[in-house]
Amino acid sequence: AQTVTQSQPEMSVQEAETVTLSCTYDTSESDYYLFWYKQPPSRQMILVIRQEAYKQQNATENRFSVNFQKAAKSFSLKISDSQLGDAAMYFCAYRSGISGSARQLTFGSGTQLTVLP
Amino acid sequence: DSGVTQTPKHLITATGQRVTLRCSPRSGDLSVYWYQQSLDQGLQFLIQYYNGEERAKGNILERFSAQQFPDLHSELNLSSLELGDSALYFCASSVEVREVAEHTDTQYFGPGTRLTVL
Repeated sequence: AQTVTQSQPEMSVQEAETVTLSCTYDTSESDYYLFWYKQPPSRQMILVIRQEAYKQQNATENRFSVNFQKAAKSFSLKISDSQLGDAAMYFCAYRSGISGSARQLTFGSGTQLTVLP
Repeated sequence: DSGVTQTPKHLITATGQRVTLRCSPRSGDLSVYWYQQSLDQGLQFLIQYYNGEERAKGNILERFSAQQFPDLHSELNLSSLELGDSALYFCASSVEVREVAEHTDTQYFGPGTRLTVL
């Protein structure tokens, strides 16, 4: 079974600064997808960024980028120019890409990000 | 707005009761997933339906059941409710047909139903 670990329960960053959230995962599969979801106080789960394991290039979405290290099974999220609206719980998630396998998301325990004005 | 709708937003009920949570997926999405978010268990997968058929089961209790209807909306039924069932229940949908869209693997979440069992 796959596991996802987020070792930082809480992080804080100064507005306009950069912060990196860590995520590691364990899997024996070669084809999979990784995601970062954001959960603000409204509790809505919002997709931030996705990464296909077969792609070597790190995904980028505006101020959000990932550092995907497949061999190390590491998938960190970097938020640049942090804004007050970035304050939220961030979840790292894994999904198998193997044909015929279960496609549900396996989540980490989350990192609560505080943005300081 | 993800395009996934869930009703009701809030539900307060008593132990031993039965409730039904409803989810409408994004237009064109064939797959529906149910997740439970509780303080002690985190986000856990319950069950998946694909085009009307059960596809995968997670840590779903026998007191819980679900179905997906021909119009692709899904319902999660929770019975003999216990205090520990209090949680936020999310529905997520995805396409999962590679020929239809580029990001067929991505799951989009509804706003959730907060269930409180007293």
